[in-house]
Amino acid sequence: TQLLEQSPQFLSIQEGENLTVYCNSSSVFSSLQWYRQEPGEGPVLLVTVVTGGEVKKLKRLTFQFGDARKDSSLHITAAQPGDTGLYLCAGSYNNNDMRFGAGTRLTVKP
Amino acid sequence: GAVVSQHPSWVICKSGTSVKIECRSLDFQATTMFWYRQFPKQSLMLMATSNEGSKATYEQGVEKDKFLINHASLTLSTLTVTSAHPEDSSFYICSGRAAGQGVYGYTFGSGTRLTVV
Repeated sequence: TQLLEQSPQFLSIQEGENLTVYCNSSSVFSSLQWYRQEPGEGPVLLVTVVTGGEVKKLKRLTFQFGDARKDSSLHITAAQPGDTGLYLCAGSYNNNDMRFGAGTRLTVKP
Repeated sequence: GAVVSQHPSWVICKSGTSVKIECRSLDFQATTMFWYRQFPKQSLMLMATSNEGSKATYEQGVEKDKFLINHASLTLSTLTVTSAHPEDSSFYICSGRAAGQGVYGYTFGSGTRLTVV
């Protein structure tokens, strides 16, 4: 059972545009991670957030963790075709297992 | 950094046969191994969690007698899909974690594409 809601499920934009992906839960996360996955490969970790209100930046990617630790967002500035891929949020509610959201399939057109 | 080697990367088997997937932690001891399944165009679904030396804990709806998990050592965990059927065709991914690493210690394998014909 998926406990995380991730949106949008699909996103197609032009190169240079900005975008935001959201991850929400009705329960409090002990931690949350964002991954990017290429077809036929395992997910690659982008960031881990654990503190409510935390903001982390990774080049053009900005990750926010909600104050109540129930939601998170990933914002990409000036998207490039190389950003195309499946973005997954994954949350832990008990510092043990990691459960994934449905994923956002991003396509950036040149 | 930590690496989990997963083999095979892809396998095709006949319906009714069994397939074993291996995940090895190469430079750390994976006290816990998580096994996920991913159907096309979908996200990763947790199948089971195994701690070294203990029986795996399966998620609701996952048949423990069909998906046999062995985690007998700190560096090796295996998933055997028994009596495979076409509906078992999927992308299987493992994730290992060392003791004491908490949320920072998940390392994913590269996945196994299983096709049952």
